[in-house]
Amino acid sequence: DTVMTQSPDSLTVSLGERATINCTSSQSVFYSSNNKNFLAWYQQRPGQPPKLLIYWASTRESGVPDRFSGSGSGTDFTLTISSLQAEDVAVYYCQQHYNSPFTFGPGTKVDIK
Amino acid sequence: EVQLVESGGGLVQPGGSLRLSCAASGFTFSNSWMHWVRQVPGKGLTWVSRINTDGTITSYADSVKGRFTVSRDNTKSTLYLQMNSLRAEDTALYHCVRSAWGAFNSWGQGTLVTVSS
Repeated sequence: DTVMTQSPDSLTVSLGERATINCTSSQSVFYSSNNKNFLAWYQQRPGQPPKLLIYWASTRESGVPDRFSGSGSGTDFTLTISSLQAEDVAVYYCQQHYNSPFTFGPGTKVDIK
Repeated sequence: EVQLVESGGGLVQPGGSLRLSCAASGFTFSNSWMHWVRQVPGKGLTWVSRINTDGTITSYADSVKGRFTVSRDNTKSTLYLQMNSLRAEDTALYHCVRSAWGAFNSWGQGTLVTVSS
């Protein structure tokens, strides 16, 4: 199984500042047939189900604000929130959607400083 | 608007069974791969099972293989999870999820399963 790790476990950022979350997979999630990295990012606000933010490592889901961006390839990925807003307080998960079992990272909790 | 509404959760004794249902609307259910993902309250996300569009391909997490069965009825736009031989460690909120390009793009609110004597 592909093991997903995330860092940091939590971070506090001032409103308007940048937040950066890292994710590493134990195996490459790059699919050469379509030149895509099968890595997704989700946001889970308190009391809500997860919401897809980014798929294929850097493609923003429809309706997701452009302050959210994803980057990386192979085994190392990053989610960046360019200017943190109050509504971004949540837990963020990375997930490989390359092969079964579709494993998630342990999550990173983002709070306001 | 995409809606996924789970039902069927509850309190069950160890060794017991439950059948979860997920009623889908707002999209073409028969064209979508579907999944179950569970979450222990306050903890992380664990993928449980998936099923292809016509129900001919299924896969499971090792922790539930041989005990859980996923199925679907495209005429009713409904996804199911039959859960047998339940254990305490199966206690969780179970989400019904639609996928596109492999990513999980729509989630239900979940139904809570508690396995306890």
